[in-house]
Amino acid sequence: EADIYQTPRYLVIGTGKKITLECSQTMGHDKMYWYQQDPGMELHLIHYSYGVNSTEKGDLSSESTVSRIRTEHFPLTLESARPSHTSQYLCASSRDTSYEQYFGPGTRLTVT
Amino acid sequence: GIQVEQSPPDLILQEGANSTLRCNFSDSVNNLQWFHQNPWGQLINLFYIPSGTKQNGRLSATTVATERYSLLYISSSQTTDSGVYFCAVEHNDYKLSFGAGTTVTVRA
Repeated sequence: EADIYQTPRYLVIGTGKKITLECSQTMGHDKMYWYQQDPGMELHLIHYSYGVNSTEKGDLSSESTVSRIRTEHFPLTLESARPSHTSQYLCASSRDTSYEQYFGPGTRLTVT
Repeated sequence: GIQVEQSPPDLILQEGANSTLRCNFSDSVNNLQWFHQNPWGQLINLFYIPSGTKQNGRLSATTVATERYSLLYISSSQTTDSGVYFCAVEHNDYKLSFGAGTTVTVRA
């Protein structure tokens, strides 16, 4: 069973605020990913990491940034939130590429 | 990038019915996963199945990699099976590409 956690689960915040979405996994997985999903739509990869100090942008352009200082932790930061950032953000991890990805419960972000 | 098409987009079932969901993809794949997204947004892993056939209770899946499709079978559907089912594939770029999903509604 995968152990991957995201906090907060829900967040309502005003325009211009800085926010950090947390993602942690206890499986020792090297590969971690952030996806963005609008209601009823498919998931789009926005960031990924192959290990500590490795971060790459995904297929969907995003104004967010990520860091990977520790294997188990992959936070996502928005410096100045806007209503267009309203979405669900899902974190995932895997033992290696081409291996099964496991997802956290997601963070539903609303920017007013 | 690789294209992933899921059909049908929507499916309404009576409790107890069987159904088949399809996933077509445009290139060879190293990874293929089926997920169920529950009403709270959580993605639940159903199958990791880049090829072959697997079964887990009332669910089973088959991937025919040479013909570039995968099928997810739901037998004796229950109301708890409702939700969105996603197929996701990885070609050779180490990233999962998702289909648009099939929304399943099981009525009691």
